[in-house]
Amino acid sequence: GNSVTQMEGPVTLSEEAFLTINCTYTATGYPSLFWYVQYPGEGLQLLLKATKADDKGSNKGFEATYRKETTSFHLEKGSVQVSDSAVYFCAHLASGNQFYFGTGTSLTVIP
Amino acid sequence: NAGVTQTPKFRVLKTGQSMTLLCAQDMNHEYMYWYRQDPGMGLRLIHYSVGEGTTAKGEVPDGYNVSRLKKQNFLLGLESAAPSQTSVYFCASSVTGTGYSEQFFGPGTRLTVL
Repeated sequence: GNSVTQMEGPVTLSEEAFLTINCTYTATGYPSLFWYVQYPGEGLQLLLKATKADDKGSNKGFEATYRKETTSFHLEKGSVQVSDSAVYFCAHLASGNQFYFGTGTSLTVIP
Repeated sequence: NAGVTQTPKFRVLKTGQSMTLLCAQDMNHEYMYWYRQDPGMGLRLIHYSVGEGTTAKGEVPDGYNVSRLKKQNFLLGLESAAPSQTSVYFCASSVTGTGYSEQFFGPGTRLTVL
């Protein structure tokens, strides 16, 4: 079946720390992969995406690489800021027009 | 552009009452979606539409109905609300249903069923 498993939170980091949020997926075929971010009180916004194996998505200092061999799409940032505090969702789009989202990982960055 | 808007932002219902949530988008997108977000469960797709006049079931469609009479609007109805439908509901839209097409989300509707 189709599913997304991501690292449980909450995650608390100090400013300028390194961030990794793990995400693995199961899907039929070769899905497109996404990271969405949700700031408090808002809807989800696309952070980055990758549509084929070995593609690297990047935006605002965040990166994730589509690893077909490990079915993973881990999110990384070298130096987090307080403004990065949010909930991060990994998602994939397989066949049938349906997105599958992970449960979300809450990140809090403290000064 | 307003993007994706949702009405209302908050609502409290009693068990058995009915209501309709309205989603509107001004981006001329073909695809529209309704999700619910529950703690520890991420977003789950309720229904979606691939164009005006069409609807399809998602992962958790029971207890909900939808209509897409106009391309820009996607309505989510609860005929007889139950406490299990307490959730935050998000609408989204996209140009296509492929991986090259970003989904744009509305700000959400927080629904409480007593």
